[in-house]
Amino acid sequence: RKEVEQDPGPFNVPEGATVAFNCTYSNSASQSFFWYRQDCRKEPKLLMSVYSSGNEDGRFTAQLNRASQYISLLIRDSKLSDSATYLCVVPISGGYNKLIFGAGTRLAVHP
Amino acid sequence: DAGVIQSPRHEVTEMGQEVTLRCKPISGHNSLFWYRQTMMRGLELLIYFNNNVPIDDSGMPEDRFSAKMPNASFSTLKIQPSEPRDSAVYFCASSLAVGYGYTFGSGTRLTVV
Repeated sequence: RKEVEQDPGPFNVPEGATVAFNCTYSNSASQSFFWYRQDCRKEPKLLMSVYSSGNEDGRFTAQLNRASQYISLLIRDSKLSDSATYLCVVPISGGYNKLIFGAGTRLAVHP
Repeated sequence: DAGVIQSPRHEVTEMGQEVTLRCKPISGHNSLFWYRQTMMRGLELLIYFNNNVPIDDSGMPEDRFSAKMPNASFSTLKIQPSEPRDSAVYFCASSLAVGYGYTFGSGTRLTVV
């Protein structure tokens, strides 16, 4: 199993739709997780942190399932501006703050 | 806070030339990371430092690549000699501590012709 796996997409959804991405990880000792957003030709930017069972920020909800080793990102009421690539990020155990970035899931929101 | 600052933003160089990329991390962050991103391979970790000490350079593609962090506020990634396959966007990122995630710079878009 890869350290981090994501469906590359693209997910094409209309404005206002609800969309969910899943990400699986192999390191069962991982404690803190992240979702990053990357726009075309820009740097990745931290979207949400997930430290326990989940986290919610406005239209965005991230959930963690430790038993099944996956995290999810739910976007409600999609906006055109949500179009981007969403990267799932998992820490590597052993200290030194090393994170593994997934290949990303592309989201395209259309009018 | 100015964020992570990288220079130059764009670099076009001829094959065989030396290229030096620069990074200034966020003040107070104790970890610094160099990444390379291409369409084919995605985001690859090249090397990372903790408290200015290189911890893991297993991602450095070959001896042509080297990185230094002489102090807490500056790091360089050098490619000598450069090759066309080195063309990519190179990101620098820094982190406050374990569990805080990374903050990325705007990247350097390198083209080797």
